[in-house]
Amino acid sequence: GQQVMQIPQYQHVQEGEDFTTYCNSSTTLSNIQWYKQRPGGHPVFLIQLVKSGEVKKQKRLTFQFGEAKKNSSLHITATQTTDVGTYFCAGPAGAGSYQLTFGKGTKLSVIP
Amino acid sequence: DSGVTQTPKHLITATGQRVTLRCSPRSGDLSVYWYQQSLDQGLQFLIQYYNGEERAKGNILERFSAQQFPDLHSELNLSSLELGDSALYFCASSVVTSGTTDTQYFGPGTRLTVL
Repeated sequence: GQQVMQIPQYQHVQEGEDFTTYCNSSTTLSNIQWYKQRPGGHPVFLIQLVKSGEVKKQKRLTFQFGEAKKNSSLHITATQTTDVGTYFCAGPAGAGSYQLTFGKGTKLSVIP
Repeated sequence: DSGVTQTPKHLITATGQRVTLRCSPRSGDLSVYWYQQSLDQGLQFLIQYYNGEERAKGNILERFSAQQFPDLHSELNLSSLELGDSALYFCASSVVTSGTTDTQYFGPGTRLTVL
């Protein structure tokens, strides 16, 4: 079945440094979603990308969808302690599927 | 607050026992998804229901079962519990719009500890 690979698994950064997590799919995705899970919390939807090459920004967060729609990235500029958590990408489990396949996530730690 | 509720918040039980986890979706959402999250693991999809009917199945063990009731709340039943079943169980809901994968709204989760 469709797999979504995410790297790195863990990332420790100094506050103020940038952070990037990458997501790769074995198949072309119709769309990709990103979620954030704070420590002790539940996943919360951040954004959905649909178009090839799409770039969306949310304040210090920049999301990109690859031209081939098989990879995506999330970049955080000048990390803050509030950015701590695990970031998951997720794509449809298959063509026409409403089920999401989640990557294993990137756990971000920010050292103040 | 996502609007998805899950009960109980915590559950401690013994091996071999049976438990039921409950989820109420957001108002208006017809689909419910169940996920298992073990320590430092990703979200493992278990099963999806849409408007009372099973829509998709993931890596759900035969000892586990679920259902969605006419009022759209869902229950996940876990039986013959083993130590390895200890995990966070999340329920998520979505509207299910044709032609796209909807945003999923997650509940706060039920933390199951099997002793």
